[in-house]
Amino acid sequence: AQSVTQPDIHITVSEGASLELRCNYSYGATPYLFWYVQSPGQGLQLLLKYFSGDTLVQGIKGFEAEFKRSQSSFNLRKPSVHWSDAAEYFCAVASGTYKYIFGTGTRLKVLA
Amino acid sequence: SAVISQKPSRDICQRGTSLTIQCQVDSQVTMMFWYRQQPGQSLTLIATANQGSEATYESGFVIDKFPISRPNLTFSTLTVSNMSPEDSSIYLCSGRQGARTEAFFGQGTRLTVV
Repeated sequence: AQSVTQPDIHITVSEGASLELRCNYSYGATPYLFWYVQSPGQGLQLLLKYFSGDTLVQGIKGFEAEFKRSQSSFNLRKPSVHWSDAAEYFCAVASGTYKYIFGTGTRLKVLA
Repeated sequence: SAVISQKPSRDICQRGTSLTIQCQVDSQVTMMFWYRQQPGQSLTLIATANQGSEATYESGFVIDKFPISRPNLTFSTLTVSNMSPEDSSIYLCSGRQGARTEAFFGQGTRLTVV
């Protein structure tokens, strides 16, 4: 069965520090992978996406993610975190039936 | 990507009543979906809204409880029927144009049932 795992429920980093949020997936074929961010009281905003091609994907707000097929991972990174990055982050995989499967989310807290 | 306007943004409802949530997209979209996000949880797909036909429900969700309409390619509604406090959640609608496109989301409806 398809699944997405985000092992870290909460992460706290200091402003200016680097960030890596982990995402592992289980999917039989080449997946379509996404990272979304949800600020309190808001819907989901797309940070970046992977369909094929270059395995290092650049997104908005200075985020990037790397698709590693051998590790079934799609980790999200940012070299320097800003206080405004505090939010909930969701990794998702899209199946061939157009449906998304979401991970459980990682809540990021940024210390000033 | 397209923009979804979802309303209401929040509501407080009495148990036993029903609430209809509306989503309007600013362009035609192939697929629309409805999700539930319970407090502190991830998103769970309720159903796929099919234009001109009955919605396709996920396991654990039934049409009598969550009737869905999709009269055209830009509009859909979700009704939460005969509500109980367990229905208190955020409900989100989403659209997607096809397999190699990303989904976009409405702002969500925060529902509290008292």
